[in-house]
Amino acid sequence: NAGVMQNPRHLVRRRGQEARLRCSPMKGHSHVYWYRQLPEEGLKFMVYLQKENIIDESGMPKERFSAEFPKEGPSILRIQQVVRGDSAAYFCASSPPVAGGLRAKNIQYFGAGTRLSVL
Amino acid sequence: AQTVTQSQPEMSVQEAETVTLSCTYDTSENNYYLFWYKQPPSRQMILVIRQEAYKQQNATENRFSVNFQKAAKSFSLKISDSQLGDTAMYFCAFVVASGSRLTFGEGTQLTVNP
Repeated sequence: NAGVMQNPRHLVRRRGQEARLRCSPMKGHSHVYWYRQLPEEGLKFMVYLQKENIIDESGMPKERFSAEFPKEGPSILRIQQVVRGDSAAYFCASSPPVAGGLRAKNIQYFGAGTRLSVL
Repeated sequence: AQTVTQSQPEMSVQEAETVTLSCTYDTSENNYYLFWYKQPPSRQMILVIRQEAYKQQNATENRFSVNFQKAAKSFSLKISDSQLGDTAMYFCAFVVASGSRLTFGEGTQLTVNP
């Protein structure tokens, strides 16, 4: 059973370009979370998605950032017109569905992250 | 809002000895879950241990155990018989039972010396 797969592991972009980060959840998992880790800091929540739905995007910057989790294929975190401050490690986590809405009871399994460097 | 505080930016321990990492949190919720994650140099986030707030018994996983003090909002991690492979950044994390987002502390860099 493969873990959470993120690609690419490293992504280099110049200022103004677009960055697309991909996350394939563990098999059977329908919940995906994105977190950002700035240098020397802990992880900060960005967005929580289920298939075809954004459930909580309260941690996403209002501009340039978007996320999707289509019915087929991986979840995508998209950053338009990147700036140097976007340089960070971006982690994806997944968890399985839970009956009764007790999502938090489930453990979030993390991928290895994508390190974005903006030149 | 929930906050998680790890007051020890760095710690070191000799191989085979025991070390305790501190974590405190703040919340008005009564039902929640606490976690310790490990991030080795590979940067992979690995779950070490989980504690459910409504359980009084402290969680244990092999050499890892927690001291959960709900009234004090404290959740420390004890690593026994430390091994070189335990060298990593350790993050304490929190999620309310009705929510989904994990709130992380700033981390403690643990170095195990031979």
